[in-house]
This record gives sequence, structure tokens and C-alpha cells, in this order.
Amino acid sequence: DAKTTQPNSMESNEEEPVHLPCNHSTISGTDYIHWYRQLPSQGPEYVIHGLTSNVNNRMASLAIAEDRKSSTLILHRATLRDAAVYYCIFTSGTYKYIFGTGTRLKVLA
Amino acid sequence: DTAVSQTPKYLVTQMGNDKSIKCEQNLGHDTMYWYKQDSKKFLKIMFSYNNKELIINETVPNRFSPKSPDKAHLNLHINSLELGDSAVYFCASSQVGAFPGNTIYFGEGSWLTVV
Repeated sequence: DAKTTQPNSMESNEEEPVHLPCNHSTISGTDYIHWYRQLPSQGPEYVIHGLTSNVNNRMASLAIAEDRKSSTLILHRATLRDAAVYYCIFTSGTYKYIFGTGTRLKVLA
Repeated sequence: DTAVSQTPKYLVTQMGNDKSIKCEQNLGHDTMYWYKQDSKKFLKIMFSYNNKELIINETVPNRFSPKSPDKAHLNLHINSLELGDSAVYFCASSQVGAFPGNTIYFGEGSWLTVV
């Protein structure tokens, strides 16, 4: 199964940027890196995904290392509503989206 | 309209009972999933169906039986419920499986409590 490693928890002050790291050293050349987040009492929701180049959308930015063995999800200005568990995953060419333990982000007012 | 909807949202039942959770997606996706999230919040895949065909069956007890009447529906039936089945069950869907770039959409979850 595809394995990712993330810190268990992180804290950020409101209105400040947050960098959430993920290691995925076993990723293959065709696997996309996906980020999802799970708000309290809700199902996971899509945040962003990418292959090699850095990606931006209205929610976040994704910075992918040149060797693709790690990536960083960037929330440019954290809000209280961004408090959630953030999951980094890749599919490894199967029908599975395998979720790890994720990073619990706490945003301080 | 909710993209992936599951019912019931909350379910409290006694040990030994049989219960079902229903899931429907209106996204036109070909692949649907059931995930289980236990008390430690670990999200684990249970089953996946592609166009009504079972393609993933993780090491789940035989008491759990998914049924897909059509590609927009994937129901989960659980026989002889046990205390350890208490968890949140998430239904999800994606276009043509977990291929590169595909996004998976989750329902809001069904909270099952076995007493």
C-alpha cells in the first residue's frame, strides 16, 4: 500500500501562512499527490493535487520537491475554518485511495 | 444537491442486529467506495465497486456485504452487529477509479453505534 508520512499535529496563528509537509519516498513517476482535509464531523474533502509542477487553487498551493519524494501544502492565510486533519495521499496505480494518519492542524485566534 | 449522500446519518442499534447504510451519488461517477473511520480516526478502505463490479475487498469480515444495484448506488449491509463495528462509515465516489488526477468525493458519514 502507498505510504505517506506526516507530522501528527501542527499549530498556526490565524492569518498566518501554514506549511504542511508530507514525505512519500515510494511514489512512482505516474502517481499524483493528492491532499484532502477532514473538518470536524464531516467527510474528507478535496484540497489540491499535482504531479510534478507546483499547483495553486483557491484553497491552497502545493509545492512538490524536484525528486517528488516530498511535498508541502501551503495555506497562505490560515483561518479558524481551516482547522482540520489534512491528509496527503497517492494512489499508486490502483483503485485505492489510502489515507494515513494525517496532520491535525490547530489554528489559534 | 448533495453530490454523495448517505442514509441514515446516525444509527444506534443493539448487538446481533442486521442493519444497512445506503449511499447514492449524482456525479455520474463509475467508482464507489466504503470507508470506515474508527474511534482513533483512522480512515480505512473497505470496498470499492466500479460499474457495479467489486474491485476492492479489503480484509473485512463476511458480515459486511456491499451491494451495488447500479453505478449510482452502493449500499452496505452489516449482519450480526458487534460492538467493534461502532464507527463512522463514509461512502465515496470517483470517476473511473483512483487513476492519476481523479478526485474522490465523500459523503458526510453515517455514525453507527452498537450497544
